[in-house]
Amino acid sequence: GNSVTQMEGPVTLSEEAFLTINCTYTATGYPSLFWYVQYPGEGLQLLLKATKADDKGSNKGFEATYRKETTSFHLEKGSVQVSDSAVYFCAPTGGGNKLTFGTGTQLKVEL
Amino acid sequence: GAGVSQSPRYKVAKRGQDVALRCDPISGHVSLFWYQQALGQGPEFLTYFQNEAQLDKSGLPSDRFFAERPEGSVSTLKIQRTQQEDSAVYLCASSLLAGAPSLGNEQFFGPGTRLTVL
Repeated sequence: GNSVTQMEGPVTLSEEAFLTINCTYTATGYPSLFWYVQYPGEGLQLLLKATKADDKGSNKGFEATYRKETTSFHLEKGSVQVSDSAVYFCAPTGGGNKLTFGTGTQLKVEL
Repeated sequence: GAGVSQSPRYKVAKRGQDVALRCDPISGHVSLFWYQQALGQGPEFLTYFQNEAQLDKSGLPSDRFFAERPEGSVSTLKIQRTQQEDSAVYLCASSLLAGAPSLGNEQFFGPGTRLTVL
């Protein structure tokens, strides 16, 4: 089945710093790729997605590009805010209709 | 409601008890998923329904786990004779279409039920 490796956390940054959270995956075929975010005390929310190679997903200042040649989907944001503190999950489709989630990367943004 | 709802939000069970967890998907959504999220881990797939049909139950960890969606809307995940290793957050998600996420078919998640087995 498909699998995903995410950068371990926690990642601690100062406000307005640049963020990169690495994600690589193994998959058969051509999965769609998703980033989900889980804010404290809340459920998982879709942050962005890309469905084919070279697609760039973007939302709320976050971006990720589907890199088929490196099987990666790294999450980036140019200037993080305290409100971005959350756990971020990379999730390629896992074969069939399910998602395969990484272990999650906790981001802490400090003033 | 506008989103996926789950009940109860928290459940404490003694080892050996049976529990039932409820999921109300977004109205009209064809697909429904159950995931299990252990502490500090990402969600892991348990089972998938398309309408009332359970098409994939490959993630259910043992025959103590049973899920149903008899009318193609509300779903119940039942765990019999609970064990301590069953302690986790159980997430339900629904999506509008029957196709795979690769078709851009977003899964919307509920807040989860946190199960603690003592």
